[in-house]
Amino acid sequence: DSGVTQTPKHLITATGQRVTLRCSPRSGDLSVYWYQQSLDQGLQFLIQYYNGEERAKGNILERFSAQQFPDLHSELNLSSLELGDSALYFCASSVLPLGETQYFGPGTRLLVL
Amino acid sequence: GENVEQHPSTLSVQEGDSAVIKCTYSDSASNYFPWYKQELGKRPQLIIDIRSNVGEKKDQRIAVTLNKTAKHFSLHITETQPEDSAVYFCAASLYNYGQNFVFGPGTRLSVLP
Repeated sequence: DSGVTQTPKHLITATGQRVTLRCSPRSGDLSVYWYQQSLDQGLQFLIQYYNGEERAKGNILERFSAQQFPDLHSELNLSSLELGDSALYFCASSVLPLGETQYFGPGTRLLVL
Repeated sequence: GENVEQHPSTLSVQEGDSAVIKCTYSDSASNYFPWYKQELGKRPQLIIDIRSNVGEKKDQRIAVTLNKTAKHFSLHITETQPEDSAVYFCAASLYNYGQNFVFGPGTRLSVLP
């Protein structure tokens, strides 16, 4: 157990809908990262926050947004969902924003029907 | 942007043999290179990492080498065991205010008893 928690564990929804994935980092970690893992795209970095501030952006679609709250938990919002958004979404956390070991959460499996 | 290639995509070895996985990256500014192990249905776990000011790092049966000039880095696993069977991902990251990770496509390692 890495100490990073993610909810929900599984999510089934329909195309066009909007969902919110939640992540709580390890105690003491200030940085949160979001990743998408799909069969055809592999593991892709989406976005990083540090102490509430966006620090790095990867291949995150405009339909997706994220934020990190004062209590350091983070939410990833996915809207106008498409079939291709079906994937495993991981959150990871680290103490600092640069060059630190990341600890991954268990992931949220999203299925868009 | 950064592009990471990883070879081979699948690798089968006999228990006790060594396994080598190679990655190349395109952005010479990348300066942090982690390796993750992902067992079936589980989260990625960091197994070893190397920074650009180091040429080699070892941790028990696992070692990573980095050739900055050639822009490639390799994972070496010696005395493989069945529990080493997993998908291994390399990644490259650039420190630049935040940390934007680009992952390789993964290598599925099978250690045959």
